[in-house]
Amino acid sequence: AQKVTQAQTEISVVEKEDVTLDCVYETRDTTYYLFWYKQPPSGELVFLIRRNSFDEQNEISGRYSWNFQKSTSSFNFTITASQVVDSAVYFCALSEGDKGSRLTFGEGTQLTVNP
Amino acid sequence: DAGVTQSPTHLIKTRGQQVTLRCSPKSGHDTVSWYQQALGQGPQFIFQYYEEEERQRGNFPDRFSGHQFPNYSSELNVNALLLGDSALYLCASTWGTGVYEQYFGPGTRLTVT
Repeated sequence: AQKVTQAQTEISVVEKEDVTLDCVYETRDTTYYLFWYKQPPSGELVFLIRRNSFDEQNEISGRYSWNFQKSTSSFNFTITASQVVDSAVYFCALSEGDKGSRLTFGEGTQLTVNP
Repeated sequence: DAGVTQSPTHLIKTRGQQVTLRCSPKSGHDTVSWYQQALGQGPQFIFQYYEEEERQRGNFPDRFSGHQFPNYSSELNVNALLLGDSALYLCASTWGTGVYEQYFGPGTRLTVT
């Protein structure tokens, strides 16, 4: 069965600090997809990135970057030069290849960026 | 371009009652999934509808049922409400049954007293 673990329940940083959110996943499938979503206080989940199991290249998008390592079953998310607007709950999620877009979410990490 | 919309925003029900939540997918999307998010936890998959049929189901009892209409909108019905059904119910939409990013609505906050 698939499982996603986000060991960090809460993280608090000061603005402009870099912060890394950890995600470890479990799956028996060789084809799977990993996602990160952001959930601000309004409640609506905002899609950030999708990665498939065959693409281990790291990705950078502005201040966001993702490190995918199959050897450690991890898909970590780094925010560089954090801003107050980054404060939210961040979820890592997994979709196995034969289950379409059905997502298994981790428990989330509450990130607070203080001015 | 309208995103995913859900109604109502908030709802308060009594144990044993029944509730219906509604979702309209993002324009161009034909697949709708429902998730339950208890306070402080990650969303849990309830079920997914495509072509007006339930295609996948998570580990939820039969009290949870759904429907998809020809215009792709969807309803989630919960019968015999329990206190533990109190949660944020999220609707997500996407294209077909492949693995694409899902777009989520703002959710319906259900409180069971």
